[in-house]
Amino acid sequence: QKEVEQDPGPLSVPEGAIVSLNCTYSNSAFQYFMWYRQYSRKGPELLMYTYSSGNKEDGRFTAQVDKSSKYISLFIRDSQPSDSATYLCAMFTQGGSEKLVFGKGMKLTVNP
Amino acid sequence: GAGVSQSPSNKVTEKGKDVELRCDPISGHTALYWYRQSLGQGLEFLIYFQGNSAPDKSGLPSDRFSAERTGGSVSTLTIQRTQQEDSAVYLCASSPHPSGREVFGPGTRLTVL
Repeated sequence: QKEVEQDPGPLSVPEGAIVSLNCTYSNSAFQYFMWYRQYSRKGPELLMYTYSSGNKEDGRFTAQVDKSSKYISLFIRDSQPSDSATYLCAMFTQGGSEKLVFGKGMKLTVNP
Repeated sequence: GAGVSQSPSNKVTEKGKDVELRCDPISGHTALYWYRQSLGQGLEFLIYFQGNSAPDKSGLPSDRFSAERTGGSVSTLTIQRTQQEDSAVYLCASSPHPSGREVFGPGTRLTVL
């Protein structure tokens, strides 16, 4: 079992849809949970950064972490064509390996 | 600029040749990472530098791969005797300290013919 599992998709939705992206993980030591967004032929950029369980909202984006279920989600409300990208979940342990562990990434297309 | 830069942006080489990929991290960032991203695959960790500590080389796929970081700043990833399976995008990232808040460069797209 890989440490982080993410459905690679692809996922195609109409503009304005609510998008839900998910990852599961096996290492209970993970403390920090990130979502990176990667546009075609660009490097990933940090989109959301959360610590431990709970929700974090930033504009149209909400990140959820459920440590008891080892499950994280990213919700995108009122999706726009500009949200079309690959979304990678990533996890981190402070004082551990000090390396991010990434999911494979989900390719999202928002159709106008 | 203020971001992470990588050069070259594209590299085409012949099987068996050596290549060097360069990363200029953000000034003051002590942590520097190299990743490899192949088509349809996620980010594969290669090597990690943190300050003056010995690098974590646990992700290097073979002894043909090596990296160094000079003066705690610029890093070079070297691939010797390139193989076709080395074709991928090589990404560099840096952060002020190990935190998960990595800033990525645009990557070098390596094609081995």
